[in-house]
Amino acid sequence: EIVMTQSPATLSVSPGERATLSCRASQSVSSNLAWYQQKPGQAPRLLIYAASTRATGIPARFSGSGSGTEFTLTISSLQSEDFAVYYCQQYNNWPPWTFGQGTKVEIK
Amino acid sequence: QVQLVESGGGVVQPGRSLRLSCVVSGFTFSTYGMHWVRQAPGKGLEWVAVIWYDGSNEYYADSVKGRFTISRDNSKNTLYLQMNSLRAEDTAVYYCARGRASGCMDVWGKGTTVTVSS
Repeated sequence: EIVMTQSPATLSVSPGERATLSCRASQSVSSNLAWYQQKPGQAPRLLIYAASTRATGIPARFSGSGSGTEFTLTISSLQSEDFAVYYCQQYNNWPPWTFGQGTKVEIK
Repeated sequence: QVQLVESGGGVVQPGRSLRLSCVVSGFTFSTYGMHWVRQAPGKGLEWVAVIWYDGSNEYYADSVKGRFTISRDNSKNTLYLQMNSLRAEDTAVYYCARGRASGCMDVWGKGTTVTVSS
């Protein structure tokens, strides 16, 4: 089973600032990596797939990069609606499909 | 628009059974694989099960293998999760999610809550 590790667990950022979230896989997942956003009381929402492709309707301030075992989600200028928990997920080696433990982006 | 609506959650005693449903609309259900993903209170996301678009293949997380069964009725646009021998650690919000051909999950329902408690 591929283990996904996200860092940091919590990121405190001021509105308008840049946020950089990291995700590491225990073995290579190629570019088969997705990022999801989850707000309190809501379902997850797909942001990025194939490591760097934005899903439909996702603003350009969200970008993903990386391949193999190291991945990054960058939010270029945080808006109030971006404060949430973000999960990475690999879909290269399955089953199981595995998620990271999440990074909470909170207001500084 | 694309919509997934889960139902069937509730409070159940340990050892009992429950069946969740997920009714979909807005897309051709019979052409997509479907997943169940759960989230225990205050915890992260855990993949539970997947079923191929035509029901030909199913896979399960080790934590539910032998106890849960995923199925679908393409004529009713409905996904199911039969949960038997429930345990306290199965307490979670259960989401159904549409699977992209590549393997990620691009549309999610709002979830249904399952509480296993005596």
